[in-house]
Amino acid sequence: EAEVAQSPRYKITEKSQAVAFWCDPISGHATLYWYRQILGQGPELLVQFQDESVVDDSQLPKDRFSAERLKGVDSTLKIQPAELGDSAMYLCASRPSGTTRSSTDTQYFGPGTRLTVL
Amino acid sequence: AQSVTQLGSHVSVSEGALVLLRCNYSSSVPPYLFWYVQYPNQGLQLLLKYTTGATLVKGINGFEAEFKKSETSFHLTKPSAHMSDAAEYFCAVSKGSNTGKLIFGQGTTLQVKP
Repeated sequence: EAEVAQSPRYKITEKSQAVAFWCDPISGHATLYWYRQILGQGPELLVQFQDESVVDDSQLPKDRFSAERLKGVDSTLKIQPAELGDSAMYLCASRPSGTTRSSTDTQYFGPGTRLTVL
Repeated sequence: AQSVTQLGSHVSVSEGALVLLRCNYSSSVPPYLFWYVQYPNQGLQLLLKYTTGATLVKGINGFEAEFKKSETSFHLTKPSAHMSDAAEYFCAVSKGSNTGKLIFGQGTTLQVKP
């Protein structure tokens, strides 16, 4: 069964350093999401891509976070500089594109990257 | 705006007992509703979802949920808890548009006692 891949699984960094996370969605999935999940809370959407275009980045702290999906396949999320409050699980999800209400609305999640900022 | 409220951040049941995890939603349009499960240090796995049609939805691992529009609820149940059900459960709502954006609840941690 195809899965969403993420790396690294765990990352420890010091504040003010730069970090990057990578996501490879399920093959053929045009829509890709990055979520942030703070311990004890539900995931919150940071950014959504449709192919290589950003559809929604309204909750992305753009002064320090950036995301790209240059070829419309895999994606990178970067934080520079990292702050203590960025400690969280960063989840990537993908979804087949669709324009109608159908089963394609299911999002498939990767295992996540656990970031600890010291 | 859409929102999800999960009643009870922690639920504890005995093995073999009924599991009931509560979810209420707020949406201005007919919603898609989802339940996801998350095991420690892992991603989210879809348990079940409601889009249209039958309001009683069956999912994996013996879970089911019923969409009740009049109560704006989508509670998750399982007749008999198993130790392996111990995990965190998230209810989520989507407008069902092409964006597919999910709004998650705060989560409920299910503890299963032997």
